[in-house]
Amino acid sequence: KQEVTQIPAALSVPEGENLVLNCSFTDSAIYNLQWFRQDPGKGLTSLLLIQSSQREQTSGRLNASLDKSSGRSTLYIAASQPGDSATYLCAVYIGANNLFFGTGTRLTVIP
Amino acid sequence: SQTIHQWPATLVQPVGSPLSLECTVEGTSNPNLYWYRQAAGRGLQLLFYSVGIGQISSEVPQNLSASRPQDRQFILSSKKLLLSDSGFYLCAWSDGTVNYEQYFGPGTRLTVT
Repeated sequence: KQEVTQIPAALSVPEGENLVLNCSFTDSAIYNLQWFRQDPGKGLTSLLLIQSSQREQTSGRLNASLDKSSGRSTLYIAASQPGDSATYLCAVYIGANNLFFGTGTRLTVIP
Repeated sequence: SQTIHQWPATLVQPVGSPLSLECTVEGTSNPNLYWYRQAAGRGLQLLFYSVGIGQISSEVPQNLSASRPQDRQFILSSKKLLLSDSGFYLCAWSDGTVNYEQYFGPGTRLTVT
């Protein structure tokens, strides 16, 4: 069964710092991998989706990479801002209807 | 553009009471629809999904049921709530294409007392 792990569970950084969030998955037979952001008490906001044939995707200050063979993905956030404070979730698609989520990394950016 | 709605936004219900959460999608037709639950301290877990009217697949045996009476409407129900049903319920949709990308609603916070 697919398992998705995110480390660390929580992270605090000063404003302006670059940071990396990690995601690992046990079954490399995935279709896509997606990073989401969740603000407290809110739904999920999609950040980046990486298809299985891709190695990375970029959007603004965010860059996500995917290494299927090693079962790893990273989300790089450049020049962090207090508004980036949220929980970041990694999720892998193993089929049209099977999306497995990690438990998330709670990020706090300190002004 | 597509929009997904959920209501109510918050709900407090006593143990043993019934439950009905509603999700609707606008701006698309024949979507795949999903119900997820996020319990305190746990990751998001897929509960049900539907690929068409009246077609429901259950991922986890539980006290809940789902129905899809219309193409863009998905309902989560329970006849008798348990304390363990408390959590944050999220509805999502996808168009079922190669990307499989799912889009999430704003969620319903359910507290069972």
